[in-house]
Amino acid sequence: QTVVTQEPSLTVSPGGTVTLTCASSTGAVTSGYYPNWFQQKPGQAPRALIYSTSNKHSWTPARFSGSLLGGKAALTLSGVQPEDEAEYYCLLYYGGTQGVFGGGTKLTVL
Amino acid sequence: ELQLVESGGGLVKPGGSLRLSCAVSGFTFSSCTMNWVRQAPGKGLEWVSSISSSGSFIYFEDSMKGRFTISRDNAKNSLYLQMNSLRAEDTAVYYCASVCSGSYYNWCFWGQGTLVTVSS
Repeated sequence: QTVVTQEPSLTVSPGGTVTLTCASSTGAVTSGYYPNWFQQKPGQAPRALIYSTSNKHSWTPARFSGSLLGGKAALTLSGVQPEDEAEYYCLLYYGGTQGVFGGGTKLTVL
Repeated sequence: ELQLVESGGGLVKPGGSLRLSCAVSGFTFSSCTMNWVRQAPGKGLEWVSSISSSGSFIYFEDSMKGRFTISRDNAKNSLYLQMNSLRAEDTAVYYCASVCSGSYYNWCFWGQGTLVTVSS
């Protein structure tokens, strides 16, 4: 059973910077896992933020960036805004066909 | 306007069946791989299944193989999920989500979800 692990919770001050990570139980995450990142606010559907490791959608705020960091996929928020408080999920692909979501990171802006 | 609208959720008894639909508008449905994702109450996201733009390639999360079937009708811009032998643990909000045109892995748009409750 493949497990994708994210930090359960993180807290950041407004204007600060925070990095969320996404690790695979099978080893280092590479671009071949096609990491995607999603934001979900309470009572809402998820929204896509980042695809294929580091690519932003047209609607993704510039303060969000994706990367590979220390064998993990990473989502960095620079200049955090109060509206960034949300749950964040990563998605990795295995064998090119099976998607597995991480357990999510609850980001608190305080 | 871009829309993905799920329907077909509801209350069903254990062992029962449901067919979910996702009606799509505002983008070229026939060019996009589509996915179903579910979220149990208070829990995280779980990938359920994907179907390629033509319907030729279908993949499922292992625990749902054999009970769930995914299909699409490109003429009707619609995606479906047939769920059989439902269990209490299948209780969740089910979302349809599209991959960006021309890609299998680059997720773009999500519907608002439909709630499936499996209970006697």
